[in-house]
Amino acid sequence: SQQGEEDPQALSIQEGENATMNCSYKTSINNLQWYRQNSGRGLVHLILIRSNEREKHSGRLRVTLDTSKKSSSLLITASRAADTASYFCAAYSGGYQKVTFGTGTKLQVIP
Amino acid sequence: EAGVTQFPSHSVIEKGQTVTLRCDPISGHDNLYWYRRVMGKEIKFLLHFVKESKQDESGMPNNRFLAERTGGTYSTLKVQPAELEDSGVYFCASSQGREVSPLHFGNGTRLTVT
Repeated sequence: SQQGEEDPQALSIQEGENATMNCSYKTSINNLQWYRQNSGRGLVHLILIRSNEREKHSGRLRVTLDTSKKSSSLLITASRAADTASYFCAAYSGGYQKVTFGTGTKLQVIP
Repeated sequence: EAGVTQFPSHSVIEKGQTVTLRCDPISGHDNLYWYRRVMGKEIKFLLHFVKESKQDESGMPNNRFLAERTGGTYSTLKVQPAELEDSGVYFCASSQGREVSPLHFGNGTRLTVT
């Protein structure tokens, strides 16, 4: 299993602040993915970082990966109320392997 | 491109009854996954189809759960007989290819067993 474990479980910040969420996993991976879930909806893919990458950016998102520590972080800069959602990481080891998720980080951005 | 669709969006049944959930993946996606989330806990893997074959069903809780994927297209997940602990949100996701590309999720089916 490549279950990601997110930290913290809940985070509340003011609009405009940055939000950082962390993820740890157990064994070697091919890539690690971050997803967002808005209440009552399915998960939406945000960003994928491969095992040979250390940092990746997409708009206001910045993801880092440290394979030696088996950890990743997701930074959302200049947060907006619309960023309020649960965020999940998923570690994937390759081939026809299952993708597993953790309990997520619930982010609340206060306007 | 149509997304992953799930039906029904909500289902309320009594303990002991049968419920069948349906998932239509994105056309051409070989991989189809079922997940379940109970009471805000982890999103738990149930099983993974590659085309019509079950690649991994290690997450299926017990033999009350039966998943099928007819002709490698849509999939159904039947719970028979339903128990109270089966309540939760059941998500379906699909992706292309052997090396995982991002998963595309449906909006889920919220199952309540009373």
